[in-house]
Amino acid sequence: DGGITQSPKYLFRKEGQNVTLSCEQNLNHDAMYWYRQDPGQGLRLIYYSQIVNDFQKGDIAEGYSVSREKKESFPLTVTSAQKNPTAFYLCASSLIRWGQNTEAFFGQGTRLTVV
Amino acid sequence: ILNVEQSPQSLHVQEGDSTNFTCSFPSSNFYALHWYRWETAKSPEALFVMTLNGDEKKKGRISATLNTKEGYSYLYIKGSQPEDSATYLCAFNAGNNRKLIWGLGTSLAVNP
Repeated sequence: DGGITQSPKYLFRKEGQNVTLSCEQNLNHDAMYWYRQDPGQGLRLIYYSQIVNDFQKGDIAEGYSVSREKKESFPLTVTSAQKNPTAFYLCASSLIRWGQNTEAFFGQGTRLTVV
Repeated sequence: ILNVEQSPQSLHVQEGDSTNFTCSFPSSNFYALHWYRWETAKSPEALFVMTLNGDEKKKGRISATLNTKEGYSYLYIKGSQPEDSATYLCAFNAGNNRKLIWGLGTSLAVNP
């Protein structure tokens, strides 16, 4: 089945540690995105990538880093510089970057808790 | 600052009721409007992507309309069923940078 897979579903991290969230897709999509959801807020864009070896900062990129070495994979690293990392993280992909009539496909999300 | 507003925030209906909710977005620089359904413990799933003023789209019992001149879209569910219980998100694509700007969603609960 084609789809987008995030792992793990739940993640606990000690303060001061970096942690990497995995996102893999087998939809052959060029574009991939990372969003963050917090209570009372809409999805906010962290980073996006249009193509392999290219990525751009979204609206809240500080404290995060990404890589896009393969078309299928877009891991997100939450660094110790991220002041409020506890949140729900969603990965998405689309055929092309925000093309008109282009829907996004989402993973099931990773809930990160800093303890 | 681009803002997308959805109303109501939450809705409880009885099975068989028809319902509708609203997504308001900036009327200038319109590119596309997306509707997604997000069931608990699942991934958000696209319902419609709408691009033309006056567009009407339908998927089963769910339909949506679009008014880009006044900046709103309605989502209708006819004869709600318990499996329609979910959060319905809309997202606006502006023409300049085309990033999706998301609303907070309308949470629908359909009681059997």
